[in-house]
Amino acid sequence: DVVMTQSPLSLPVTLGQPASISCRSSQSLVYSDGNTYLNWFLQRPGQSPRRLIYKVSNRDSGVPDRFSGSGSVTDFTLKISRVEAEDVGVYYCMQGTHWPFTFGPGTKVDVK
Amino acid sequence: EVQLVESGGGSVQPGGSLRLSCAASGFTFSNYWMHWVRQAPGKGLVWVSRIISDGSVTYYADSVKGRFTISRDNAKNTLYLQMNSLRAEDTAMYYCARSIRGVQNGVKSYWGQGALVTVS
Repeated sequence: DVVMTQSPLSLPVTLGQPASISCRSSQSLVYSDGNTYLNWFLQRPGQSPRRLIYKVSNRDSGVPDRFSGSGSVTDFTLKISRVEAEDVGVYYCMQGTHWPFTFGPGTKVDVK
Repeated sequence: EVQLVESGGGSVQPGGSLRLSCAASGFTFSNYWMHWVRQAPGKGLVWVSRIISDGSVTYYADSVKGRFTISRDNAKNTLYLQMNSLRAEDTAMYYCARSIRGVQNGVKSYWGQGALVTVS
């Protein structure tokens, strides 16, 4: 199975400041169709996960543009340009290129 | 409005069985692959199983293969997960989800509120 790692696992943030989460995969996530199926999800406390970013850098509808995704092959990053209170929760990267799909361990973002 | 509503969770002894259901509404259920993802208490997300739109092809994580069966009834807009030979390590919140892979641009992913399964 493809192993997904994230860093940091805990990220205390200051509201209004930027934040960045790294995600790495143990194999290339480039699929045979040329797409890279690397997604980012946010799970707020007590809620179901919500997808923020799909195929590395595409924001889902309704996701604020302060969220951006980048990267390629095995190295990916989620950036929040200015953290707001509603951004608190656990962020997961997920690869959908290889079966079984696998998630990273999660990065817990909270306010300092 | 798209909704996914899980039901059927509960407490069961090791070796027992449960069947989860996920009622879908607000979209053409028969057009979408569907997934089950679980989350043990205080832990991360783990993909469990998926089924293609017409139900003819399924896939399972190794940890549940041979014990769990995913199925769907497109006439009833409902996804199922039959769980047999349950173990303590199957204790988790089980989410049904749509479009988690992100193949089609502009198609949102949706998740249910989850069904809690406790094996003890």
